[in-house]
Amino acid sequence: DGGITQSPKYLFRKEGQNVTLSCEQNLNHDAMYWYRQDPGQGLRLIYYSQIVNDFQKGDIAEGYSVSREKKESFPLTVTSAQKNPTAFYLCASSFQHTANTEAFFGQGTRLTVV
Amino acid sequence: QQQVKQSPQSLIVQKGGISIINCAYENTAFDYFPWYQQFPGKGPALLIAIRPDVSEKKEGRFTISFNKSAKQFSLHIMDSQPGDSATYFCAASSGSSYKLIFGSGTRLLVRP
Repeated sequence: DGGITQSPKYLFRKEGQNVTLSCEQNLNHDAMYWYRQDPGQGLRLIYYSQIVNDFQKGDIAEGYSVSREKKESFPLTVTSAQKNPTAFYLCASSFQHTANTEAFFGQGTRLTVV
Repeated sequence: QQQVKQSPQSLIVQKGGISIINCAYENTAFDYFPWYQQFPGKGPALLIAIRPDVSEKKEGRFTISFNKSAKQFSLHIMDSQPGDSATYFCAASSGSSYKLIFGSGTRLLVRP
């Protein structure tokens, strides 16, 4: 089935560690996005990529890094510089250059700092 | 200018009632206004979307009303059901940038 897959579903990180969240899609979408969700704050854009080997910072990029080496994959690294990383992270993808810009979301990764 | 303001933050409706969630925006370049539904522990899923060339779009029990001059749009859920209990997000984007700007969300509870 076509879709977008995030892993792991739950992730625990110790203080000072970097962790990488995986996002894979087989929808042949050009664009991919990472959002952070905190209670009562909606979805905030961390990074997005419209094409392979290119990505742009979103509204809250500090302490995060991404890569886009393949069209299907857009991993997010939460670095030790991110002061408050505990949150629900959502990856999404969409077509570009079409009238329908529906974004398809993965099931999310819940990151907890211990 | 990039914000989308959503209200109310939470909403309780009796089964069979009408749920109404409102959103407002400032950026007149926005030309795509979707609503997403999210159940606990899941990713959001597209519910219904509208473009500014129409004032209303209906899909089953869900209707978007769009007021271009007021820069407002709203989601109406008719005959609300307990299974509609979820968090609803409005969003907006423009053709020049495909990234979605989300509202803060509304937690809807439909009582049996």
